[in-house]
Amino acid sequence: GNSVTQMEGPVTLSEEAFLTINCTYTATGYPSLFWYVQYPGEGLQLLLKATKADDKGSNKGFEATYRKETTSFHLEKGSVQVSDSAVYFCALSHNNAGNMLTFGGGTRLMVKP
Amino acid sequence: DAGVIQSPRHEVTEMGQEVTLRCKPISGHNSLFWYRQTMMRGLELLIYFNNNVPIDDSGMPEDRFSAKMPNASFSTLKIQPSEPRDSAVYFCASSLTRTTGSGNTIYFGEGSWLTVV
Repeated sequence: GNSVTQMEGPVTLSEEAFLTINCTYTATGYPSLFWYVQYPGEGLQLLLKATKADDKGSNKGFEATYRKETTSFHLEKGSVQVSDSAVYFCALSHNNAGNMLTFGGGTRLMVKP
Repeated sequence: DAGVIQSPRHEVTEMGQEVTLRCKPISGHNSLFWYRQTMMRGLELLIYFNNNVPIDDSGMPEDRFSAKMPNASFSTLKIQPSEPRDSAVYFCASSLTRTTGSGNTIYFGEGSWLTVV
């Protein structure tokens, strides 16, 4: 079946540091890939997505590139801010599973001033 | 545009009581999902509706849980009787699911924070 694995947190960084959160997936064919963000006390919000190989999703300074050869969708940001502190979820959807989302376990990011 | 609307936002109830969580999906969306989030188990899909019909309820923990979607603009998740281990955040989400492709974005509500004492 489909699955998503992401690095365990928490990830603690200083403001303006470079961020990478690793995400790899297992699925046949070509799923769509997503990053969702959950701020404290809130629901999940779509951060970015990519629907085919080599696509790059980007939003709010975050980027992730769909790498079919390594089955990865790593999240990156060049300079994090305190306001980026949240839990980040990698997910995939596939039409072999009714387009339902399969989530990774989430990675908590803590950015210190 | 209004997003997915859930109520109540917070609920504290005693063990054994019935709990009903409500959800209004985004207008025009044809798929609705109920998720549960806990520290121990993370995000779990409980049930998925498409065009108001339950498609996959394999995530519903046990018979105490039931979900309905009487029309395209309303769904409920009911727990009867509630137990302390049901304490969690329950999210409703909706999407417009197309028959081709898999890039449909799922939009989440703010969640219902349930505490059973």
